[in-house]
Amino acid sequence: DSGVTQTPKHLITATGQRVTLRCSPRSGDLSVYWYQQSLDQGLQFLIQYYNGEERAKGNILERFSAQQFPDLHSELNLSSLELGDSALYFCASSVADRGISGANVLTFGAGSRLTVL
Amino acid sequence: AQKITQTQPGMFVQEKEAVTLDCTYDTSDPSYGLFWYKQPSSGEMIFLIYQGSYDQQNATEGRYSLNFQKARKSANLVISASQLGDSAMYFCAMREGPGDYKLSFGAGTTVTVRA
Repeated sequence: DSGVTQTPKHLITATGQRVTLRCSPRSGDLSVYWYQQSLDQGLQFLIQYYNGEERAKGNILERFSAQQFPDLHSELNLSSLELGDSALYFCASSVADRGISGANVLTFGAGSRLTVL
Repeated sequence: AQKITQTQPGMFVQEKEAVTLDCTYDTSDPSYGLFWYKQPSSGEMIFLIYQGSYDQQNATEGRYSLNFQKARKSANLVISASQLGDSAMYFCAMREGPGDYKLSFGAGTTVTVRA
């Protein structure tokens, strides 16, 4: 158990629907990252929050949004879902928001597997 | 441009032998960090080892070692004494400079350990 909790583990939904993925970071970690892993795109960085504030945006679609709450858990909202959104969505957490220190390793959750039919 | 390149899509290794996974990176920042993660078939991402650009010695963590060749911009992972449980996808990742927030990942290499 990495200490990063993601729910749900699996989700099957239809095109056009909206889903919310939830992440609780490891105790003591203030930074949360969302990544999407698909067969054709590999691991893509979506967005990062640090202590409730957005820190960096990657290849996140406008149909997707995220936030980090005061208790530091984060939610990734995916709307108007398309077949191509089917992927494994990872949440990761770290102590700091940036830096190359080996102490600032990203710890990943087990992922939420989204299937859009 | 790809920042992290892993050229070996798949590799087979005999149990108890060593295997080297290649990773080259591209950055103009003198300050960066390199990471390796393991993803078994169950899907989770497991941190293995870290190397900072200013570290004088190659990183080691148990059976994992990182062959860091800065001038060649390569950070190869060496797994010694392979075990069946090492069968997984392995990802090389980089974070650039003190101001970079995200990790950029390579495409990964699948390792299959044969008994």
